[in-house]
Amino acid sequence: GESVGLHLPTLSVQEGDNSIINCAYSNSASDYFIWYKQESGKGPQFIIDIRSNMDKRQGQRVTVLLNKTVKHLSLQIAATQPGDSAVYFCAEKANDYKLSFGAGTTVTVRA
Amino acid sequence: EAQVTQNPRYLITVTGKKLTVTCSQNMNHEYMSWYRQDPGLGLRQIYYSMNVEVTDKGDVPEGYKVSRKEKRNFPLILESPSPNQTSLYFCASSPSTLINRREYFGPGTRLTVT
Repeated sequence: GESVGLHLPTLSVQEGDNSIINCAYSNSASDYFIWYKQESGKGPQFIIDIRSNMDKRQGQRVTVLLNKTVKHLSLQIAATQPGDSAVYFCAEKANDYKLSFGAGTTVTVRA
Repeated sequence: EAQVTQNPRYLITVTGKKLTVTCSQNMNHEYMSWYRQDPGLGLRQIYYSMNVEVTDKGDVPEGYKVSRKEKRNFPLILESPSPNQTSLYFCASSPSTLINRREYFGPGTRLTVT
């Protein structure tokens, strides 16, 4: 079946450095992707999304890159801060009524 | 404040004792869904609802029921809970468009079935 997965389950990054979180997807027909952030004890929060007709989209301190050729999605966080410590999920629109989520990457920011 | 609320936030119960987890959203969203989250498995969809009285199965519907009698509420029912339903549950809602599928998540309900 279709799946959305993250390359690494954990990522440790020094405060102030840039973070890159990767995600591979298998459904070449997916046309919409989302990144969520989940802090401890909370529900997932929307970070940024991208449609398949785009290669890059920028938000506040975050950039999402989409490479449809290799079915790869990445989230870049600039100048990582302690508040960025969380689990990050990528998700793809599997059909009109469903999102499929990856297993998540836990980001830990070192002071 | 626009939000999705769930109750209870924590629940410990015994096998076979029927329970209901409530979910309510105040954003007039048409689409609502339930997920369970287990370590290493990410979020898996249980059921979803496209509108009032319209529901459908997600990836892991076995052992669960839902109803959508009102637009704002989407309760999750476990008729006979079992220990393998111990999990963290999230309700979510979304505007019903084909393009924007951003979902707004509730705070979660941690369920333990002994």
